[in-house]
Amino acid sequence: AQSVTQLDSQVPVFEEAPVELRCNYSSSVSVYLFWYVQYPNQGLQLLLKYLSGSTLVESINGFEAEFNKSQTSFHLRKPSVHISDTAEYFCAVSLRGYKLSFGAGTTVTVRA
Amino acid sequence: ETGVTQSPTHLIKTRGQQVTLRCSSQSGHNTVSWYQQALGQGPQFIFQYYREEENGRGNFPPRFSGLQFPNYSSELNVNALELDDSALYLCASSSGQGAGSETQYFGPGTRLLVL
Repeated sequence: AQSVTQLDSQVPVFEEAPVELRCNYSSSVSVYLFWYVQYPNQGLQLLLKYLSGSTLVESINGFEAEFNKSQTSFHLRKPSVHISDTAEYFCAVSLRGYKLSFGAGTTVTVRA
Repeated sequence: ETGVTQSPTHLIKTRGQQVTLRCSSQSGHNTVSWYQQALGQGPQFIFQYYREEENGRGNFPPRFSGLQFPNYSSELNVNALELDDSALYLCASSSGQGAGSETQYFGPGTRLLVL
């Protein structure tokens, strides 16, 4: 069975500063990797996903994540955050199956 | 294009009661998954339905059951409610049969409080 660990539960950051959210997973087989974002009182929205190919994936709003197979990590980064990036971020994995396994989430609070 | 919708948005029940939550999938999607998100935790997979058949189940007891209808909308039923069932229940729709790579699109959730 696969599991996901998000190493930081809370990340406070100043506006325009960089941010990194760490995610490690455990699985003995290849997995698909996802980052979802949850804004207050909303459902989850897909930020980006890694299926295969280039280990660096990017989203349309400036986030990027790098798949590192040897370290079984899929860390999320953004070089300059905005107030609107305040949200909870979830890392998730799936095997060639049906379910997503989520980490516990990282709350990002961006301050002016 | 209509996204995933869920009803009701909020619900209060007492222990021992039964509850039914509803989900309308995104247009063109034939697969619905249900997740339970307890406060301060990540979503936990309950089960998935593909073309009206259960396609996989997480570690939840049988009092959690579901249905998918011919129009691919879905219901989650929970019998004999317990206090620990208090959570946000999320529905997600996708196309395909659980290859694992497809994107799941989530609804806004139903917040259930069991007293």
